[in-house]
Amino acid sequence: DAGVIQSPRHEVTEMGQEVTLRCKPISGHDYLFWYRQTMMRGLELLIYFNNNVPIDDSGMPEDRFSAKMPNASFSTLKIQPSEPRDSAVYFCASSHQREGGKTQYFGPGTRLLVL
Amino acid sequence: GESVGLHLPTLSVQEGDNSIINCAYSNSASDYFIWYKQESGKGPQFIIDIRSNMDKRQGQRVTVLLNKTVKHLSLQIAATQPGDSAVYFCAGGYSGNTPLVFGKGTRLSVIA
Repeated sequence: DAGVIQSPRHEVTEMGQEVTLRCKPISGHDYLFWYRQTMMRGLELLIYFNNNVPIDDSGMPEDRFSAKMPNASFSTLKIQPSEPRDSAVYFCASSHQREGGKTQYFGPGTRLLVL
Repeated sequence: GESVGLHLPTLSVQEGDNSIINCAYSNSASDYFIWYKQESGKGPQFIIDIRSNMDKRQGQRVTVLLNKTVKHLSLQIAATQPGDSAVYFCAGGYSGNTPLVFGKGTRLSVIA
């Protein structure tokens, strides 16, 4: 099992540019979560999907952030336009409904730096 | 709503000693708790979980204790090793398909 796969692992961009983060969940998992981690705020849940459908996006900071899950094996988190305060590590996690969606398995994260 | 927090942001332990990391939660409806370990540059890794119908659960060198009366749980690591150095997060949730709420994390430093 390859685990949750995220790309890119590192992204450096300039303010105003569009950033797209990608995630491939563990095969067979039907929950997918996007988190943002910073020193100041810790681990924050941005949005999560169940069976490719967004369930709760209340953690998405503002309209500049959007997430999609076109199929069970792929999700994207897009920031447009990006701002320096978006600099953080973004994690994707997945889980299986058999476990009530509780035990989440995390990817390695994408470290984003917006200049 | 759910709120999960940690008592101590940092913990330094001598190699070979036991470590205890504490966590408090606010939602008495919480019925499932997980401890994660996050090493530098990596995502959080599942360590051990416990349901509210238990007060103790043991794994390999780790034990989680749950005290529902005071809404507190702890992670005990026996014979702490340098490889245990990481940030440890507790997370809590309750029945149904609701997401976990994560605490801020405690950094464990093992002194050789």
